[in-house]
Amino acid sequence: DGGITQSPKYLFRKEGQNVTLSCEQNLNHDAMYWYRQDPGQGLRLIYYSQIVNDFQKGDIAEGYSVSREKKESFPLTVTSAQKNPTAFYLCATRRLATYTQYFGPGTRLTVL
Amino acid sequence: QKEVEQDPGPLSVPEGAIVSLNCTYSNSAFQYFMWYRQYSRKGPELLMYTYSSGNKEDGRFTAQVDKSSKYISLFIRDSQPSDSATYLCAMSAGNQFYFGTGTSLTVIP
Repeated sequence: DGGITQSPKYLFRKEGQNVTLSCEQNLNHDAMYWYRQDPGQGLRLIYYSQIVNDFQKGDIAEGYSVSREKKESFPLTVTSAQKNPTAFYLCATRRLATYTQYFGPGTRLTVL
Repeated sequence: QKEVEQDPGPLSVPEGAIVSLNCTYSNSAFQYFMWYRQYSRKGPELLMYTYSSGNKEDGRFTAQVDKSSKYISLFIRDSQPSDSATYLCAMSAGNQFYFGTGTSLTVIP
């Protein structure tokens, strides 16, 4: 996990509710990423950000939103528009000009 | 066609065996290749990182990249029960990363 924290570890949500997943890092890495992991599908990119106040959509951004107001923080909001949000969510960071990512411990979201 | 293909296994070996894990890819622009180990319900942990073709060794682990065949491998020597996990390959040409689906490995004592 290093200097990447994700909270909460487990999250339960009722259908129709928005929830926000936290990702904080003290590695001083510039880039931050959100992935979703489902059994048999590997990691799929939701959003990524290389600098504060800027972010790009990944392959499955629909139903999700992010913000990057501070270098250390990259929260992910799962909105009620996300049709199948139950999954394991992983945050990752990377120092620019390098090509390795480091992952947080993950948040498991379950929609009831 | 997926960018990265990885046999999901599961793979089961006796303790002390040599394990070979593999991925193929389609994008010839990939230059950076990584292997991650993921224990159940945990985040992936970076094991090995290789730039371009060639071999890299770190203890019991060896990563191999063959760009001409678009094929990468991870070898684990003297496998231990603690190596039981899912192994993900990953690769990149720039700001985005592409992952295999993971191979589940069990090392039997």
